[in-house]
Amino acid sequence: DQQVKQNSPSLSVQEGRISILNCDYTNSMFDYFLWYKKYPAEGPTFLISISSIKDKNEDGRFTVFLNKSAKHLSLHIVPSQPGDSAVYFCAALEAGNQFYFGTGTSLTVIP
Amino acid sequence: NAGVTQTPKFRILKIGQSMTLQCTQDMNHNYMYWYRQDPGMGLKLIYYSVGAGITDKGEVPNGYNVSRSTTEDFPLRLELAAPSQTSVYFCASRNPSRNTIYFGEGSWLTVV
Repeated sequence: DQQVKQNSPSLSVQEGRISILNCDYTNSMFDYFLWYKKYPAEGPTFLISISSIKDKNEDGRFTVFLNKSAKHLSLHIVPSQPGDSAVYFCAALEAGNQFYFGTGTSLTVIP
Repeated sequence: NAGVTQTPKFRILKIGQSMTLQCTQDMNHNYMYWYRQDPGMGLKLIYYSVGAGITDKGEVPNGYNVSRSTTEDFPLRLELAAPSQTSVYFCASRNPSRNTIYFGEGSWLTVV
């Protein structure tokens, strides 16, 4: 039973445009959410996070939005760059111990 | 700054063989995790540990064992390798006062 879902396996965006990656979750007990970026043959690296008490967090070109009522979060990348091409995983933290990961979205930024 | 180090990076095992995936971290993190990632799937938690001497099962523990004798090391043992254990394995660690986990580079395991 997948508690964190990324329904888009892949996304292609032109360089300079906005990339929007989406994530849905089912467990209302999740209290912290994270995005990880993964290049081929490497481990996932932390990108940005948000606490459930906030609805937005920004870090440079990356912004994460959280809509608790819809159990939905999204990652916006503006402007998108070719180096952003990677697989992006969203993750949710429950009760401070266990992380639950989505299946990932492969982003391709076209020069 | 090594972070989380996993060995080996690649391994081919025959059905029924056993092996240990090594994981060590130099960040003095109490929490450590083992995940597996299958094609098209998310990361699934195999085992985790909140400190030396303490381990707990995750979502997919069958066929694996772990131990945590030191803060730094968290090895994952496969006793009787099966083709279903062909996967990419990631070790991770976390400072419990922070909500971010840090991953190793992964271990690619093929069971034939």
